[in-house]
Amino acid sequence: SQKIEQNSEALNIQEGKTATLTCNYTNYSPAYLQWYRQDPGRGPVFLLLIRENEKEKRKERLKVTFDTTLKQSLFHITASQPADSATYLCALDIRDTDKLIFGTGTRLQVFP
Amino acid sequence: DVKVTQSSRYLVKRTGEKVFLECVQDMDHENMFWYRQDPGLGLRLIYFSYDVKMKEKGDIPEGYSVSREKKERFSLILESASTNQTSMYLCASSSATPHEQFFGPGTRLTVL
Repeated sequence: SQKIEQNSEALNIQEGKTATLTCNYTNYSPAYLQWYRQDPGRGPVFLLLIRENEKEKRKERLKVTFDTTLKQSLFHITASQPADSATYLCALDIRDTDKLIFGTGTRLQVFP
Repeated sequence: DVKVTQSSRYLVKRTGEKVFLECVQDMDHENMFWYRQDPGLGLRLIYFSYDVKMKEKGDIPEGYSVSREKKERFSLILESASTNQTSMYLCASSSATPHEQFFGPGTRLTVL
């Protein structure tokens, strides 16, 4: 079955450092992959989308890579700030539908 | 500013009650989704709809039904609430392409 894995352990990093979150998947070949941010008690918010033919995508301090051979996406936040503390979810599309499969998310804590 | 709204932020119901959760989007999106989110299990798709009066089962449809009479509105119905339906319920909408989903704030449902 299709499976998405994100590190369930929280990632704690110091302000100013680069945070790197990992999303691995199996048994699937998505056309694109998405990343969302979720704050406690709130709905996820879309951040970035990367297509299967794109290796890298950037948006301000965010960078996403997509390696379809390794079946892995990396999500980087450079110059991290305490306000970046949240849970980050990756999601894969299901081809020929408009549905997404979400990972369980990784909680990021940026401390001063 | 685009918006997905949900009828309640918090809801407490008794076992056996019929529960209606409503979701409205103002983006003229074709697709609408209902998820539940539980600790350690991530977002799980209950039902989705890709057009008015159309619906498809997601991964965990048992105990739920949905209604989409108008494009902007998607309702989730718990016919007879049970304690194992205590959860955070999230509604989302998306266009047909490229599928990024916009989420509502969520409804925290407690069934006693």
